[in-house]
Amino acid sequence: GAGVSQSPSNKVTEKGKDVELRCDPISGHTALYWYRQRLGQGLEFLIYFQGNSAPDKSGLPSDRFSAERTGESVSTLTIQRTQQEDSAVYLCASSLAPTYEQYFGPGTRLTVT
Amino acid sequence: GENVEQHPSTLSVQEGDSAVIKCTYSDSASNYFPWYKQELGKGPQLIIDIRSNVGEKKDQRIAVTLNKTAKHFSLHITETQPEDSAVYFCAPRGNTGFQKLVFGTGTRLLVSP
Repeated sequence: GAGVSQSPSNKVTEKGKDVELRCDPISGHTALYWYRQRLGQGLEFLIYFQGNSAPDKSGLPSDRFSAERTGESVSTLTIQRTQQEDSAVYLCASSLAPTYEQYFGPGTRLTVT
Repeated sequence: GENVEQHPSTLSVQEGDSAVIKCTYSDSASNYFPWYKQELGKGPQLIIDIRSNVGEKKDQRIAVTLNKTAKHFSLHITETQPEDSAVYFCAPRGNTGFQKLVFGTGTRLLVSP
């Protein structure tokens, strides 16, 4: 079946602008995760959603970052007033019990100029 | 929280040689130990995992070994091929439930023909 998809694949924006990144998880997956990967580095957890539970926002680096999820489907990560240090690849993953294995999308490469 | 380190950070081998990457973690509650492969422009993909009740697991040319007492586990790739070139990440965690992943710093493997 279809995997996790993300859009856009690349986004270039000017410093100070807001951006929205989209993630479509695998159909039926109840959990959805966002991670950030800076150039040459590992993945940093940002936020995750599981069913109707309150999202775990513990990884969001500042209040400029927020995310929403509609039911158990699409999620949007919003970065307000972008800064150059926000430049990174933003990866989304989804998972389902009982394996809890996370399946990753290809990511959105964000460049803030 | 979990502190995860990988060694080496880069590894260059000749085609046909073996490669070993080590992951050291701090959280004694970890009991699920996966390895991910990330190719250029793609999200990480699970390639092999091991649970704490076994010491070794093999899948064709790749294997994972676990030393839970010493809190480290290793990825072994035999008969390396150029298509094994990628960045490899470990992400130890608890065995059950939806959990954010804490990734190691990554190991860039380059297999030269």
